[in-house]
Amino acid sequence: KAGVTQTPRYLIKTRGQQVTLSCSPISGHRSVSWYQQTPGQGLQFLFEYFSETQRNKGNFPGRFSGRQFSNSRSEMNVSTLELGDSALYLCASSPLQAMNTGELFFGEGSRLTVL
Amino acid sequence: AQTVTQSQPEMSVQEAETVTLSCTYDTSENNYYLFWYKQPPSRQMILVIRQEAYKQQNATENRFSVNFQKAAKSFSLKISDSQLGDTAMYFCAFSGAGGTSYGKLTFGQGTILTVHP
Repeated sequence: KAGVTQTPRYLIKTRGQQVTLSCSPISGHRSVSWYQQTPGQGLQFLFEYFSETQRNKGNFPGRFSGRQFSNSRSEMNVSTLELGDSALYLCASSPLQAMNTGELFFGEGSRLTVL
Repeated sequence: AQTVTQSQPEMSVQEAETVTLSCTYDTSENNYYLFWYKQPPSRQMILVIRQEAYKQQNATENRFSVNFQKAAKSFSLKISDSQLGDTAMYFCAFSGAGGTSYGKLTFGQGTILTVHP
């Protein structure tokens, strides 16, 4: 079974631009979560989607948004990029539906550098 | 809100020896899950071991075992017979069991473990 696939793996943007990151979950997984990883703040939860609906959201400004498609693939978007948005963005999928046991399967991440 | 604290930023161990990574957490929930994830350099994060709070028995996975002390809110990871491939950043993580926890793990700051030959 293929793992969680994230694209692009690396990208460089300038302040003020916007970026879209893509995530394909493991086949059969319907829940997709996004995390931001930085040296200073560590791993922080952005949001979670299931069946095209956002079920959970972290404490990030509205510049961070996401969506999920009917095939469970997900995208996240960051608008008006700031230097502090430079980070590794991790996508994770989970096969679970009603029950939440927290186990997530992570992709390799998209490393965003904002200049 | 839950918090997870890993007090050891870095640790090192000799190959074949045993090492213990510490983790404490704070929560008001009674039912939850705890995890140790491993993130090797430039590679994806993978689950090492999982503990359900309602289970008193400590989880084990081959060379990896935990010491779960619910009353003390402590969740340490013991790695036996350390191998070079164990070199990685290790994260302790918490997940509530309720609906508000969907997809959400609260992570500690991580411990960089280096295994020396």
